[in-house]
Amino acid sequence: AQKITQTQPGMFVQEKEAVTLDCTYDTSDQSYGLFWYKQPSSGEMIFLIYQGSYDEQNATEGRYSLNFQKARKSANLVISASQLGDSAMYFCAMREYGSSNTGKLIFGQGTTLQVKP
Amino acid sequence: DAGVTQSPTHLIKTRGQHVTLRCSPISGHKSVSWYQQVLGQGPQFIFQYYEKEERGRGNFPDRFSARQFPNYSSELNVNALLLGDSALYLCASSSAGTTYNEQFFGPGTRLTVL
Repeated sequence: AQKITQTQPGMFVQEKEAVTLDCTYDTSDQSYGLFWYKQPSSGEMIFLIYQGSYDEQNATEGRYSLNFQKARKSANLVISASQLGDSAMYFCAMREYGSSNTGKLIFGQGTTLQVKP
Repeated sequence: DAGVTQSPTHLIKTRGQHVTLRCSPISGHKSVSWYQQVLGQGPQFIFQYYEKEERGRGNFPDRFSARQFPNYSSELNVNALLLGDSALYLCASSSAGTTYNEQFFGPGTRLTVL
């Protein structure tokens, strides 16, 4: 069954330190994509980073990197040098590109990150 | 360039009423998806439209319907509102239908059902 699991409801990190947000997924498709979104209190979903199932290297976007371990079905987000503006809800999401490809994103429950000054 | 726009921003309705939410995609984008996000949870997929045709439907009752217009804007309609329909409704647009493409989300419409 298609599923995204985020086991950390809330996380704290000190400003300027790195933090890892966990995400595991379940799919029977060989072709899929994994996304991370940031949702501030305003509600808008902001795209952060993408990893395709056939990508051999971990994705990086500025201070964001995705630690992709295919065999473990995990796609953890690493934020380096945390900033106060990083305080938000973070969602891991998956899209399948096989026979069930409808463009649907499947989201996890989210992790609330608070950055302490 | 303007991003995805949604209207209204906030809406208060009573049980049994009907509501229409509107979404305008990014210029040039032909695909629109709708998601429902109940407080404290991740968004749940409702519909995807591409080139004015429904391409995907989530596990929502028939009270939920949508359509896409020739200019690629979209409406989400919900009939016979229930208290449980209170949520943030997000619209996302992308340039393609079913191949990989980043989905850009709008600010959402916050619906409260009393």
